[in-house]
Amino acid sequence: GQQVMQIPQYQHVQEGEDFTTYCNSSTTLSNIQWYKQRPGGHPVFLIQLVKSGEVKKQKRLTFQFGEAKKNSSLHITATQTTDVGTYFCAGRRAQGGSEKLVFGKGTKLTVNP
Amino acid sequence: GAGVSQSPRYKVAKRGQDVALRCDPISGHVSLFWYQQALGQGPEFLTYFQNEAQLDKSGLPSDRFFAERPEGSVSTLKIQRTQQEDSAVYLCASSSDRIFGGYTFGSGTRLTVV
Repeated sequence: GQQVMQIPQYQHVQEGEDFTTYCNSSTTLSNIQWYKQRPGGHPVFLIQLVKSGEVKKQKRLTFQFGEAKKNSSLHITATQTTDVGTYFCAGRRAQGGSEKLVFGKGTKLTVNP
Repeated sequence: GAGVSQSPRYKVAKRGQDVALRCDPISGHVSLFWYQQALGQGPEFLTYFQNEAQLDKSGLPSDRFFAERPEGSVSTLKIQRTQQEDSAVYLCASSSDRIFGGYTFGSGTRLTVV
Protein backbone atom coordinates (compact mmCIF):
# COMPACT_ATOMS: atom_id res chain seq x y z
CA GLY A 1 0.00 0.00 0.00
CA GLN A 2 0.90 3.65 -0.14
CA GLN A 3 3.59 4.74 2.31
CA VAL A 4 4.79 8.17 3.32
CA MET A 5 8.15 8.43 5.02
CA GLN A 6 9.49 11.44 6.90
CA ILE A 7 12.97 12.22 8.12
CA PRO A 8 14.32 13.03 10.56
CA GLN A 9 12.09 11.64 13.28
CA TYR A 10 13.40 14.18 15.79
CA GLN A 11 15.23 17.48 15.44
CA HIS A 12 16.63 19.63 18.23
CA VAL A 13 17.77 23.13 17.31
CA GLN A 14 18.87 26.28 19.03
CA GLU A 15 16.55 29.22 18.59
CA GLY A 16 17.56 31.08 15.46
CA GLU A 17 18.83 28.00 13.62
CA ASP A 18 17.15 26.69 10.50
CA PHE A 19 15.16 23.43 10.32
CA THR A 20 14.19 21.15 7.45
CA THR A 21 12.02 18.05 7.33
CA TYR A 22 11.76 15.77 4.31
CA CYS A 23 8.88 13.67 3.08
CA ASN A 24 8.97 10.81 0.53
CA SER A 25 6.08 8.85 -0.91
CA SER A 26 6.21 5.37 -2.39
CA THR A 27 3.67 6.47 -5.02
CA THR A 28 3.09 9.55 -7.15
CA LEU A 29 0.84 12.02 -5.37
CA SER A 30 -1.96 14.23 -6.60
CA ASN A 31 -1.27 16.65 -3.80
CA ILE A 32 0.57 16.89 -0.53
CA GLN A 33 -0.42 18.69 2.62
CA TRP A 34 1.51 19.75 5.71
CA TYR A 35 0.19 19.86 9.25
CA LYS A 36 1.56 21.03 12.59
CA GLN A 37 0.62 19.40 15.87
CA ARG A 38 1.57 21.16 19.08
CA PRO A 39 2.23 19.04 22.17
CA GLY A 40 -1.12 17.85 23.51
CA GLY A 41 -2.95 19.28 20.52
CA HIS A 42 -4.40 18.10 17.26
CA PRO A 43 -3.00 18.45 13.72
CA VAL A 44 -3.56 21.87 12.19
CA PHE A 45 -3.50 22.36 8.42
CA LEU A 46 -0.65 24.53 7.18
CA ILE A 47 -0.61 24.29 3.40
CA GLN A 48 -1.31 22.22 0.31
CA LEU A 49 0.93 21.74 -2.72
CA VAL A 50 -0.54 20.50 -6.00
CA LYS A 51 1.76 21.29 -8.90
CA SER A 52 5.02 19.60 -9.80
CA GLY A 53 7.96 21.67 -8.55
CA GLU A 54 5.68 24.03 -6.62
CA VAL A 55 7.19 26.26 -3.94
CA LYS A 56 5.10 28.15 -1.42
CA LYS A 57 6.12 30.42 1.41
CA GLN A 58 4.41 31.37 4.64
CA LYS A 59 6.55 33.92 6.48
CA ARG A 60 9.56 31.88 7.69
CA LEU A 61 8.21 28.58 6.31
CA THR A 62 9.04 27.37 2.79
CA PHE A 63 7.31 24.33 1.31
CA GLN A 64 8.43 22.48 -1.82
CA PHE A 65 6.85 19.75 -3.93
CA GLY A 66 9.22 17.64 -5.98
CA GLU A 67 9.22 17.52 -9.77
CA ALA A 68 8.10 13.88 -9.74
CA LYS A 69 5.40 14.66 -7.16
CA LYS A 70 6.76 11.98 -4.84
CA ASN A 71 8.64 14.10 -2.33
CA SER A 72 8.31 17.33 -0.42
CA SER A 73 10.12 19.40 2.13
CA LEU A 74 9.38 22.00 4.77
CA HIS A 75 12.08 24.49 5.70
CA ILE A 76 11.84 26.90 8.62
CA THR A 77 14.24 29.82 8.70
CA ALA A 78 15.46 31.19 12.04
CA THR A 79 13.37 28.97 14.29
CA GLN A 80 11.49 30.40 17.25
CA THR A 81 10.18 28.69 20.37
CA THR A 82 6.68 28.99 18.91
CA ASP A 83 7.74 26.58 16.14
CA VAL A 84 7.88 23.69 18.62
CA GLY A 85 5.69 20.75 17.63
CA THR A 86 5.46 17.80 15.30
CA TYR A 87 5.25 18.46 11.58
CA PHE A 88 3.42 15.93 9.43
CA CYS A 89 3.25 15.62 5.70
CA ALA A 90 0.24 13.85 4.23
CA GLY A 91 -0.21 12.74 0.65
CA ARG A 92 -3.02 11.57 -1.56
CA ARG A 93 -2.06 9.12 -4.29
CA ALA A 94 -2.58 10.28 -7.86
CA GLN A 95 -4.11 7.05 -9.12
CA GLY A 96 -6.12 4.28 -7.58
CA GLY A 97 -9.27 6.13 -6.65
CA SER A 98 -8.49 6.48 -2.96
CA GLU A 99 -9.32 9.88 -1.55
CA LYS A 100 -7.75 9.39 1.85
CA LEU A 101 -4.72 11.29 3.04
CA VAL A 102 -1.83 9.10 4.18
CA PHE A 103 0.23 10.72 6.91
CA GLY A 104 3.90 10.33 7.61
CA LYS A 105 5.10 9.61 11.14
CA GLY A 106 6.12 13.23 11.58
CA THR A 107 9.21 15.16 12.61
CA LYS A 108 9.22 16.36 16.19
CA LEU A 109 10.92 19.72 16.52
CA THR A 110 12.21 21.08 19.79
CA VAL A 111 13.73 24.55 20.02
CA ASN A 112 16.12 25.52 22.80
CA PRO A 113 15.79 29.21 23.72
CA GLY B 1 -20.18 25.28 14.07
CA ALA B 2 -16.87 27.09 14.03
CA GLY B 3 -14.82 23.93 14.35
CA VAL B 4 -14.97 20.17 14.54
CA SER B 5 -16.30 19.04 17.89
CA GLN B 6 -15.56 15.64 19.38
CA SER B 7 -16.90 14.03 22.51
CA PRO B 8 -16.05 12.72 24.95
CA ARG B 9 -12.61 14.30 25.26
CA TYR B 10 -11.40 11.37 27.35
CA LYS B 11 -12.79 7.88 27.75
CA VAL B 12 -11.62 5.10 30.02
CA ALA B 13 -13.13 1.73 29.19
CA LYS B 14 -12.73 -1.65 30.76
CA ARG B 15 -11.56 -4.34 28.40
CA GLY B 16 -14.57 -5.85 26.69
CA GLN B 17 -16.73 -2.77 27.04
CA ASP B 18 -18.34 -1.09 24.03
CA VAL B 19 -17.65 2.60 23.38
CA ALA B 20 -19.12 5.26 21.09
CA LEU B 21 -17.21 8.33 20.01
CA ARG B 22 -19.00 11.31 18.52
CA CYS B 23 -17.89 13.80 15.89
CA ASP B 24 -19.74 16.98 14.92
CA PRO B 25 -18.09 18.37 11.76
CA ILE B 26 -18.03 21.91 10.46
CA SER B 27 -21.44 22.81 9.10
CA GLY B 28 -21.57 22.27 5.35
CA HIS B 29 -18.50 20.04 5.16
CA VAL B 30 -19.56 16.99 3.21
CA SER B 31 -16.35 14.99 3.74
CA LEU B 32 -15.67 13.44 7.13
CA PHE B 33 -12.69 11.31 8.11
CA TRP B 34 -11.75 9.24 11.14
CA TYR B 35 -8.12 8.67 12.07
CA GLN B 36 -6.41 6.80 14.88
CA GLN B 37 -3.26 8.25 16.39
CA ALA B 38 -1.07 6.19 18.69
CA LEU B 39 1.38 7.95 20.97
CA GLY B 40 4.30 9.35 19.01
CA GLN B 41 2.90 8.27 15.66
CA GLY B 42 1.18 9.93 12.75
CA PRO B 43 -2.58 9.71 12.25
CA GLU B 44 -3.65 6.41 10.66
CA PHE B 45 -6.68 6.42 8.37
CA LEU B 46 -9.74 4.50 9.54
CA THR B 47 -12.69 5.49 7.39
CA TYR B 48 -14.18 8.23 5.20
CA PHE B 49 -17.69 9.55 4.53
CA GLN B 50 -19.02 11.67 1.73
CA ASN B 51 -22.30 12.97 3.15
CA GLU B 52 -23.96 9.84 4.58
CA ALA B 53 -22.15 7.41 2.32
CA GLN B 54 -19.20 5.53 3.73
CA LEU B 55 -16.90 5.45 0.72
CA ASP B 56 -13.80 3.92 2.24
CA LYS B 57 -13.52 1.82 5.37
CA SER B 58 -10.30 0.08 4.46
CA GLY B 59 -8.50 1.34 7.57
CA LEU B 60 -10.85 -0.11 10.16
CA PRO B 61 -8.65 -2.62 12.00
CA SER B 62 -11.31 -5.25 12.65
CA ASP B 63 -15.02 -5.92 12.53
CA ARG B 64 -15.22 -4.59 16.09
CA PHE B 65 -14.95 -1.10 14.60
CA PHE B 66 -18.01 0.45 13.05
CA ALA B 67 -18.73 4.00 11.89
CA GLU B 68 -21.88 5.72 10.74
CA ARG B 69 -23.08 9.11 9.60
CA PRO B 70 -26.80 8.54 9.04
CA GLU B 71 -27.87 12.10 8.18
CA GLY B 72 -24.66 13.30 6.61
CA SER B 73 -23.59 15.48 9.51
CA VAL B 74 -22.77 14.00 12.93
CA SER B 75 -20.75 10.79 12.85
CA THR B 76 -20.23 8.10 15.45
CA LEU B 77 -17.33 5.67 15.68
CA LYS B 78 -18.23 2.60 17.68
CA ILE B 79 -15.78 0.08 19.05
CA GLN B 80 -17.17 -3.17 20.37
CA ARG B 81 -15.48 -5.38 22.95
CA THR B 82 -12.60 -2.97 23.41
CA GLN B 83 -9.09 -4.35 23.79
CA GLN B 84 -5.94 -2.76 25.17
CA GLU B 85 -4.49 -2.24 21.70
CA ASP B 86 -7.45 0.04 20.93
CA SER B 87 -6.00 2.63 23.31
CA ALA B 88 -5.20 5.70 21.21
CA VAL B 89 -6.45 9.14 20.28
CA TYR B 90 -9.28 9.02 17.77
CA LEU B 91 -9.32 12.06 15.54
CA CYS B 92 -12.18 13.23 13.41
CA ALA B 93 -11.64 15.66 10.53
CA SER B 94 -13.88 17.35 8.03
CA SER B 95 -13.19 19.03 4.74
CA SER B 96 -15.12 21.12 2.25
CA ASP B 97 -13.38 19.47 -0.71
CA ARG B 98 -12.72 15.74 -0.71
CA ILE B 99 -9.71 15.95 -3.02
CA PHE B 100 -8.09 19.32 -2.54
CA GLY B 101 -9.35 20.52 0.78
CA GLY B 102 -7.27 20.79 3.91
CA TYR B 103 -8.60 18.85 6.86
CA THR B 104 -9.91 20.56 9.98
CA PHE B 105 -9.33 18.19 12.87
CA GLY B 106 -11.22 18.01 16.11
CA SER B 107 -9.43 17.84 19.45
CA GLY B 108 -9.80 14.07 19.46
CA THR B 109 -11.00 11.50 21.95
CA ARG B 110 -8.31 9.85 24.03
CA LEU B 111 -9.42 6.27 24.66
CA THR B 112 -7.72 4.26 27.36
CA VAL B 113 -8.67 0.61 27.72
CA VAL B 114 -7.79 -0.90 31.08
